[in-house]
Amino acid sequence: GAVVSQHPSRVICKSGTSVKIECRSLDFQATTMFWYRQFPKQSLMLMATSNEGSKATYEQGVEKDKFLINHASLTLSTLTVTSAHPEDSSFYICSARDSGGQVSGYTFGSGTRLTVV
Amino acid sequence: SQKIEQNSEALNIQEGKTATLTCNYTNYSPAYLQWYRQDPGRGPVFLLLIRENEKEKRKERLKVTFDTTLKQSLFHITASQPADSATYLCALDPNTGGFKTIFGAGTRLFVKA
Repeated sequence: GAVVSQHPSRVICKSGTSVKIECRSLDFQATTMFWYRQFPKQSLMLMATSNEGSKATYEQGVEKDKFLINHASLTLSTLTVTSAHPEDSSFYICSARDSGGQVSGYTFGSGTRLTVV
Repeated sequence: SQKIEQNSEALNIQEGKTATLTCNYTNYSPAYLQWYRQDPGRGPVFLLLIRENEKEKRKERLKVTFDTTLKQSLFHITASQPADSATYLCALDPNTGGFKTIFGAGTRLFVKA
């Protein structure tokens, strides 16, 4: 089945530094990928939709300059948290949908636990 | 506004029993409803998708029902096992293109041996 690989799984960084999270679709092409943030015991909050070859679409309230998204190929999307602060500490997850064939669910990455100290 | 509600209280059941989880929604017309499993510190894993014109879907020990009149889906795990312990999320896909899927917060299931 479809697989999405997300790295790193955990990262601790100092306040003010930037962190890049990668999300790769391993066996299918993903023209669109989605980035979520999840707080404990809460639902997935869509941050942005990453579109291959064009600008990402950000949800209301999400700072595009803070959360930079690049989708340079059909299999890779990256999320860079710039000038990270402790309040950016969270669980970040990407997903994609294999658009070939029948409608199916989303394939998620394994998530990245970001801790900003 | 669009809303999905899942029971925030954990569900505790005995091994071998059937677990039933509920997903209710308002102000939404889904074309599809999905169920996912999420383990702590991991991304969700897709389990089942049911279309608006389908009443029931089964996959091994899993069964999903979808009632668009009641705006509710039920998710059943029969012959539950401790390995089924996880958080289960429901998600709705809207009935239009250019869509956004919305997720519930999930219900935590504990299956005791």
